[in-house]
Amino acid sequence: NAGVTQTPKFQVLKTGQSMTLQCAQDMNHEYMSWYRQDPGMGLRLIHYSVGAGITDQGEVPNGYNVSRSTTEDFPLRLLSAAPSQTSVYFCASSYSIQGSSPLHFGNGTRLTVT
Amino acid sequence: AQTVTQSQPEMSVQEAETVTLSCTYDTSENNYYLFWYKQPPSRQMILVIRQEAYKQQNATENRFSVNFQKAAKSFSLKISDSQLGDTAMYFCAFPADMDSNYQLIWGAGTKLIIKP
Repeated sequence: NAGVTQTPKFQVLKTGQSMTLQCAQDMNHEYMSWYRQDPGMGLRLIHYSVGAGITDQGEVPNGYNVSRSTTEDFPLRLLSAAPSQTSVYFCASSYSIQGSSPLHFGNGTRLTVT
Repeated sequence: AQTVTQSQPEMSVQEAETVTLSCTYDTSENNYYLFWYKQPPSRQMILVIRQEAYKQQNATENRFSVNFQKAAKSFSLKISDSQLGDTAMYFCAFPADMDSNYQLIWGAGTKLIIKP
């Protein structure tokens, strides 16, 4: 059981380039979300999805797009990378949206934009 | 505003000692869950323990336990018999509301170092 798998682990982009961070889970979780983690801060929500075909914006959605065509996959697209998007990105999933349900995280992607 | 404060940026203890990480929070909700997550050098965020605000009994998971004081809005994590593998960043968090576990309010974290 792999849990939540994120690829790549590291990525360096130049300003203006685009890329997709991949996230897949094999736990049949309906709920998936993307976060970014910056030094000295907790995680900030970028986008989330409550099921296939349904996505919504979080706290810091600008510059990012998501789609959810299957239950398993929830890719995050950077449209035109900016240095401010240098961060560590985490994908998470959960079996329920209720506040009691813990999140299962991937190993993160460290992105550097030069 | 809902907030989480972790007042200890960094702590270090010797292996086998007991250590307590502090967390205070602010919310106007009456029922909620509180979480401690651990982030080791491998970077993955791992759930350590969770507590329901309605339960007076403190949660325990093996060597990890909490001291939950609802009136004081305090949620400290105690690690007993600390091990080298406990070296990690520890984050306290709670959901902004009970219907959206993805919208968590996070503390800034405490870096815990276990020395051999």
